[in-house]
Amino acid sequence: DAGVTQSPTHLIKTRGQHVTLRCSPISGHKSVSWYQQVLGQGPQFIFQYYEKEERGRGNFPDRFSARQFPNYSSELNVNALLLGDSALYLCASRKGGTTNTEAFFGQGTRLTVV
Amino acid sequence: GENVEQHPSTLSVQEGDSAVIKCTYSDSASNYFPWYKQELGKRPQLIIDIRSNVGEKKDQRIAVTLNKTAKHFSLHITETQPEDSAVYFCAAEGGTDKLIFGTGTRLQVFP
Repeated sequence: DAGVTQSPTHLIKTRGQHVTLRCSPISGHKSVSWYQQVLGQGPQFIFQYYEKEERGRGNFPDRFSARQFPNYSSELNVNALLLGDSALYLCASRKGGTTNTEAFFGQGTRLTVV
Repeated sequence: GENVEQHPSTLSVQEGDSAVIKCTYSDSASNYFPWYKQELGKRPQLIIDIRSNVGEKKDQRIAVTLNKTAKHFSLHITETQPEDSAVYFCAAEGGTDKLIFGTGTRLQVFP
């Protein structure tokens, strides 16, 4: 079975641009969450989606948005990029439906804003 | 707001010694406490987790303890090996799929 896959693995963008990051969860997993990990820190929660509905949002500006598709894959969009958005963006999938189950992380997308 | 504090930020031990990492959480509704290991350039991977109805859990050389009254939980690694070297993150979660992570502990095991 494939694990959580994210694309692209690396990305360089210019300030003010827009970026779309993609995540495919483990087969059978219906919950997808996005996290931002700045170098030297723990992951910070951005969004959680379950059954295509937003179930949670972290303390991030409206420039960040996401969605989940009928096949449970997900996109994270960031508009008007700032230098401070440079980070590793992690996607995590879970079976969903019940809480406190193991979250499986993808390898992440390393975004660099210049 | 929800917060998880983690100590120490760095930990150096000799191979074969034990390592202990401690975390404190603020949200009394937290009931799930996973620990992740992240090697350089790789994804976080779950090494052990504990739920609030259990005080201690062990898996070979790794153990986790939970004190809900004090809102503390700890990771214990015995007989450390060089391959245990990595960054370890604790996390806490309540009734939603939202993990609150600590700031990480860089563990170095010297041969």
